[in-house]
Formats: sequence, C-alpha cells, structure tokens
Amino acid sequence: EAQVTQNPRYLITVTGKKLTVTCSQNMNHEYMSWYRQDPGLGLRQIYYSMNVEVTDKGDVPEGYKVSRKEKRNFPLILESPSPNQTSLYFCASSPRDRSSYEQYFGPGTRLTVT
Amino acid sequence: GNSVTQMEGPVTLSEEAFLTINCTYTATGYPSLFWYVQYPGEGLQLLLKATKADDKGSNKGFEATYRKETTSFHLEKGSVQVSDSAVYFCALSPFSGGYQKVTFGTGTKLQVIP
Repeated sequence: EAQVTQNPRYLITVTGKKLTVTCSQNMNHEYMSWYRQDPGLGLRQIYYSMNVEVTDKGDVPEGYKVSRKEKRNFPLILESPSPNQTSLYFCASSPRDRSSYEQYFGPGTRLTVT
Repeated sequence: GNSVTQMEGPVTLSEEAFLTINCTYTATGYPSLFWYVQYPGEGLQLLLKATKADDKGSNKGFEATYRKETTSFHLEKGSVQVSDSAVYFCALSPFSGGYQKVTFGTGTKLQVIP
C-alpha cells in the first residue's frame, strides 16, 4: 500500500529534550515536506527537500532541523524543543510531476512540549 | 508572496443542503489549485485539483472551477452528507520550475447534521 508513515503519532516531552520525528514514504517520491498545523493558522511549511541531500527552509524553520540521507526518509529534529513548538506535525511527499503537484500526507504527529 | 484566503468556519449545514466554501488566492502566473480534506484524526488527502484557468476539478460530488479573472477556486457540492463533515483546505502551488512551494489556506470546518 502506497503511504507516508510517521512515528511517533503522539509525543509528550519536556523543554530542551532533543527529539526526532521520523517520516518514511514508499512511493519513490522525490519531494518531501514537513508542515505544522495550528488552530487558525492552517498548515505552514517548516522544511522541504527536493531530493537526497537537498533541503531548504520553508516558512517557519526556526527551531527545527531536517536531513535527507535516503530518498524514502525525511526525519524532523527538534534539538531543544520549546512549548511554542507544541503542534500537530505532518510529513508529506510528492512526485516530480509538474502536471500534478499532488501531495500525499502522513497521519500526523501530535507533539506536546511542557 | 503567495497567499490563500478561505472563508472562516465552522460551517454547519443540514444533510442534503448545498455547500459553498469560498477560496481566493494571490499568486503570480498560473498556479495549480487544490482542495484537500482532513477527516477527524487523519492527515490531509487530495479532494480535487485544477492546473489551468477554467479547469474544473471534481471528485465525490464536489466541484471547483479555476477562475483566473476572479482569482478564485470555490468548492461546491449540491447535496452534503453527514460523512462530509471534515476540515477543507484550499491550496496553491506556483508554476515555477523545481520544487512546488505549496501554500495552504487556514481551513474551513464543515459540520453536517442529520
């Protein structure tokens, strides 16, 4: 089954404790992104990647890191989480198809930082 | 920069009522336009899309027409069902080479009551 998976689905942590949210896709897509969803703000892009070893900042990159060492994986790293990073996070992937640009989303990771 | 404006929700309708969710956008050139739907507890999934002016996207009884002259992409359905209750996001993807930097609206929550 074609899908984007994220782990964990739920995470409660404390300020300053480094964490990683994993994202993996099995559709051989070139493009991957991370978004955060907050009430009243919709989805905002954190980072995106065009291919292996190619990443760039989205609209709200502060406090986050990413890496793309393999085509299928795109982990999101919070080196020192803070309460304002409490949010619902989505990973997405899409093929390099200019006729489509459809994104496929993971199920989301709800992060709470206390 | 690019932006998407959606009507604020929540929108509450009775079953079999007509639905319109307004979406207008600001972008240079000819972006691709999308409607995504998010059911409770799930990630976003593509509902429909249109890649050029005057195109009509349709799926599951929903329709939206790409109106370049009014920069709009309003979502419509003739007869909603309780199962349509979800959050609907309008989004655009700019027609520029390389990675598509998708911009999302803030989402409109639809509740359909029996």
